[in-house]
Parts: sequence; structure tokens; C-alpha cells
Amino acid sequence: QQQVKQSPQSLIVQKGGISIINCAYENTAFDYFPWYQQFPGKGPALLIAIRPDVSEKKEGRFTISFNKSAKQFSLHIMDSQPGDSATYFCAARERNAGGTSYGKLTFGQGTILTVHP
Amino acid sequence: DAGVTQSPTHLIKTRGQHVTLRCSPISGHKSVSWYQQVLGQGPQFIFQYYEKEERGRGNFPDRFSARQFPNYSSELNVNALLLGDSALYLCASSWGGSGTEKLFFGSGTQLSVL
Repeated sequence: QQQVKQSPQSLIVQKGGISIINCAYENTAFDYFPWYQQFPGKGPALLIAIRPDVSEKKEGRFTISFNKSAKQFSLHIMDSQPGDSATYFCAARERNAGGTSYGKLTFGQGTILTVHP
Repeated sequence: DAGVTQSPTHLIKTRGQHVTLRCSPISGHKSVSWYQQVLGQGPQFIFQYYEKEERGRGNFPDRFSARQFPNYSSELNVNALLLGDSALYLCASSWGGSGTEKLFFGSGTQLSVL
């Protein structure tokens, strides 16, 4: 059961363009939403994360937009560079029934981003 | 400082065999999580350990087990290997166990089951 749906599967943009990756979820127990970047042969690395009480968070060229009512969130990469070419994953952490949480992240399927020079 | 280290980096096994994967977290980190990443998919949560206790378990069969040692390093064991167990196994560490601390992933162990 795919709890976090990510699109598109692949994305090609020109250098300097804006890359936009979207994710949607159903589980209202999700309460923390990170984005990870993964290069071939490496593990994922945290890029930026957001909590649902905030609608937008920006760090450098990376921005997360969060729409709690629509249960959607997206990653925007401004001024995309060839070095940004990688696979991007959205993820979500679930608060368990007891109200506590632990480190289980549910990941989306990933988006392969290619930035052409 | 060293990041999360995993060993071995690559492993080839045959069906029915057993495998042990090892992970050393970043110094000072008390939580270790294991994820399975099948080619072309996102990582799937297998286990989390915090302070040597299991905090969470994903939807994996009992053939998968893990433990965390007093020095916070961890082992993932998989018994009776199936072809479908072929994947990249990722270990991640964090200071705490709540899930909102920054997770640091290792480069993984690539397991091939023939």
C-alpha cells in the first residue's frame, strides 16, 4: 500500500529553470515531511523538511510548499543546476496511535531529476 | 567525523542462505534504523532501534531480525533468503528516536540473491 504518492517519475529541466516535484498522502497521522536527495551509489541525504503547521519553508534554492487541507506538498528547486541531477524522495513520518512517534519514514517512489546544462 | 558506515558494501548470496549486515552509527547517535530499497523505488522501513530497544518494525516477515549493541552499532539478519530480498539495505542513524531529528544514511549494502 503506497501511502505517499510522488510525481512525476522523471523530470528534465534546463539549467536555471525551476524543478517541481509533487507528493500526496492520505494518512492524517503523518506529522513531519522531509525531502531527501540521493545520488547513485549513495544513501539518501536530507534536503529540507516541514511540519504541517507551516505552509512554506525555504532554504537556499529549495522550497517546500505544504497544503494541509489537500494533503499535498511539493518541492521547488529554483535556478536548477546540473549538480542537482539526482533522485529526489518525499517522505512522511507517522505519529502512532499512542501519540508518540518513532523514526519510521514512509517514502514516495522517487523522482529522477536531470538538469541539462 | 565518520558518517554512518555499513559493511559489507556488496554481497552475493544464494536462495535459502542467511545474511548479516552491519552498521556503525555516527558517534553520539543512539538510534539506528534499517531500510530496504528495491531498484527504482523509495526506501521501505524495516526496523528502528533506540537505546538498544526495538522502537518500530515495518511490514517485513519474521525472517528479518535486528539488534543494537551497547556501542549503538547494529546488525540486520535475514534468514532463508528469497530472490525478492535482492535490494540495497540502508542503515540510518540519528541522535534521538522520535523521527524528526535529522536522519543520516549510510551508502548501503547491495545484496544480490541468486
